[in-house]
Amino acid sequence: KQEVTQIPAALSVPEGENLVLNCSFTDSAIYNLQWFRQDPGKGLTSLLLIQSSQREQTSGRLNASLDKSSGRSTLYIAASQPGDSATYLCAVLTRYNTDKLIFGTGTRLQVFP
Amino acid sequence: DGGITQSPKYLFRKEGQNVTLSCEQNLNHDAMYWYRQDPGQGLRLIYYSQIVNDFQKGDIAEGYSVSREKKESFPLTVTSAQKNPTAFYLCASRDRAGNTEAFFGQGTRLTVV
Repeated sequence: KQEVTQIPAALSVPEGENLVLNCSFTDSAIYNLQWFRQDPGKGLTSLLLIQSSQREQTSGRLNASLDKSSGRSTLYIAASQPGDSATYLCAVLTRYNTDKLIFGTGTRLQVFP
Repeated sequence: DGGITQSPKYLFRKEGQNVTLSCEQNLNHDAMYWYRQDPGQGLRLIYYSQIVNDFQKGDIAEGYSVSREKKESFPLTVTSAQKNPTAFYLCASRDRAGNTEAFFGQGTRLTVV
């Protein structure tokens, strides 16, 4: 059974720092991995989607990498801003059931001025 | 604008009542999902549907029911059999044709009073 873990559970950093969020999964047979952002009381906003054949994806100050063999993905946020404060979740779409998205528990990020 | 609409945003239920949460999408997506989110926990899959008139149980389907009579609609009924229904409910959809990202609605917060 696929399990997805995110470490750390919470992170507090000063504005301007570069930071890395981690996502681990137990079964490397994935179709893709998606990173989301969730603001308090809101739905999820898609940030980046990495296909299983890709190593990384970039969008603005965000860069996500994927290492299937080790079951890991990282989300790199450059020059963090207070507006980046949110919960970040990763989710994998597994190959043996391509219609089931399995989520990690998220990393709650606070960027203070 | 294309997207997923969940209604209502807030819902209050008395003990023993059934309530129905609405989810509508105009993205022409085949697959639709319902997740439950509790404080400090990740998203847990309740039900998902890959095509009209077909749906599958997720990890926590007990006490819930769904229907998929139209491609754009996937309502969730929380029945009186659900012992602890107070939670944040999220609906998502995805295009099955291709390795595509999932999109989420803004959620419904259900409270038992």
